[in-house]
Amino acid sequence: AQKVTQAQTEISVVEKEDVTLDCVYETRDTTYYLFWYKQPPSGELVFLIRRNSFDEQNEISGRYSWNFQKSTSSFNFTITASQVVDSAVYFCALSQNFGNEKLTFGTGTRLTIIP
Amino acid sequence: GAVVSQHPSRVICKSGTSVKIECRSLDFQATTMFWYRQFPKQSLMLMATSNEGSKATYEQGVEKDKFLINHASLTLSTLTVTSAHPEDSSFYICSAQTTGSTDTQYFGPGTRLTVL
Repeated sequence: AQKVTQAQTEISVVEKEDVTLDCVYETRDTTYYLFWYKQPPSGELVFLIRRNSFDEQNEISGRYSWNFQKSTSSFNFTITASQVVDSAVYFCALSQNFGNEKLTFGTGTRLTIIP
Repeated sequence: GAVVSQHPSRVICKSGTSVKIECRSLDFQATTMFWYRQFPKQSLMLMATSNEGSKATYEQGVEKDKFLINHASLTLSTLTVTSAHPEDSSFYICSAQTTGSTDTQYFGPGTRLTVL
């Protein structure tokens, strides 16, 4: 069985601060994919990143960065110099290997950036 | 990028009626579509996986006779909530996956269903 845990239910930070959203996963598959999605108040899920289990390199995209560590089964997401537009619910998700991208979502972290 | 649309975006219906929600992939062919349900302030829960031309695969606990899924073409899947009740009120989100096992899943904007 697969499981994704986002222990942080809600986080509030002041604008321009850095913030890290934690994600811990459980799976018996040796090959799997990890995702982060952003869900703004409008409700539409916005894809942020997909990472396969063989690629442990950290990734940076603008103010966003991701730290994947298989040793701790974690895939954390950091926003640097946060902005009010970053306010949203962020979901971490996990999918099985090939042929079935059925996603298992974490419970989400509601991030509020205070101006 | 790949775009997925849903219609309607919001629907309010009376208890006992049926509601159909459409999910369309606008600029790609989706061999697989997924339907999720999200209750307020909760996570997305997969309801069913729909493959074009075949019967949907439902997750445990999801009533297939209540939530009818049809994936008649490579760009359209429909979810019909039959005999809706207030407890079916939720945010329904579809996603579509292109051909090939390594393709990313793209999500629609969601449909908010309110059953009175």
